[in-house]
Amino acid sequence: KAGVTQTPRYLIKTRGQQVTLSCSPISGHRSVSWYQQTPGQGLQFLFEYFSETQRNKGNFPGRFSGRQFSNSRSEMNVSTLELGDSALYLCASSPGTSGWGGTDTQYFGPGTRLTVL
Amino acid sequence: AQSVAQPEDQVNVAEGNPLTVKCTYSVSGNPYLFWYVQYPNRGLQFLLKYITGDNLVKGSYGFEAEFNKSQTSFHLKKPSALVSDSALYFCAVRDPLNTGTASKLTFGTGTRLQVTL
Repeated sequence: KAGVTQTPRYLIKTRGQQVTLSCSPISGHRSVSWYQQTPGQGLQFLFEYFSETQRNKGNFPGRFSGRQFSNSRSEMNVSTLELGDSALYLCASSPGTSGWGGTDTQYFGPGTRLTVL
Repeated sequence: AQSVAQPEDQVNVAEGNPLTVKCTYSVSGNPYLFWYVQYPNRGLQFLLKYITGDNLVKGSYGFEAEFNKSQTSFHLKKPSALVSDSALYFCAVRDPLNTGTASKLTFGTGTRLQVTL
């Protein structure tokens, strides 16, 4: 099976712009989670989508949003970019077969590195 | 709230020697524990997980981890380190009792493993 794919891999934006990142999960996986990785804050959970519904949300401002399509592909959007949004954004997919997902393994994509100038 | 601590920022070991990367956790109930590895400019790769059962869990690339409930630890081990094991290692936890954000993974800050000849 192909792994999790994320596009684009690299992105450079300026403050105030908005950006959309895309994630295609492993075939058959129904859950997609997004994480932000920075040197200072480490890996932080953004949100999780399951069957097109947001199931969990981390402590990020409303500028961060996401959605999931019927084919389980997911996008996340960041509006009004700030310098502090520069980070590696990781998408992870999991089967979504174990109820609330507790025992599921999350498989990560290579990430999108966003630089905000 | 669930949390993970990785007390060592970096672990240095000579090739051929055993390695240990430490992880302790805090959750309300019985934890679900995971180890991931990250190579430069890559996403996270799953190594192993503990859900229930045998306290010694074997994973990919010769790694194993031991779950110790009394010490709330889940240390990653390998009997003989390779230079190619040099990477950033993350421990993560899920709290099955935290049903509000149950599927969310909480990560430690990461431990950089450096294996030298």
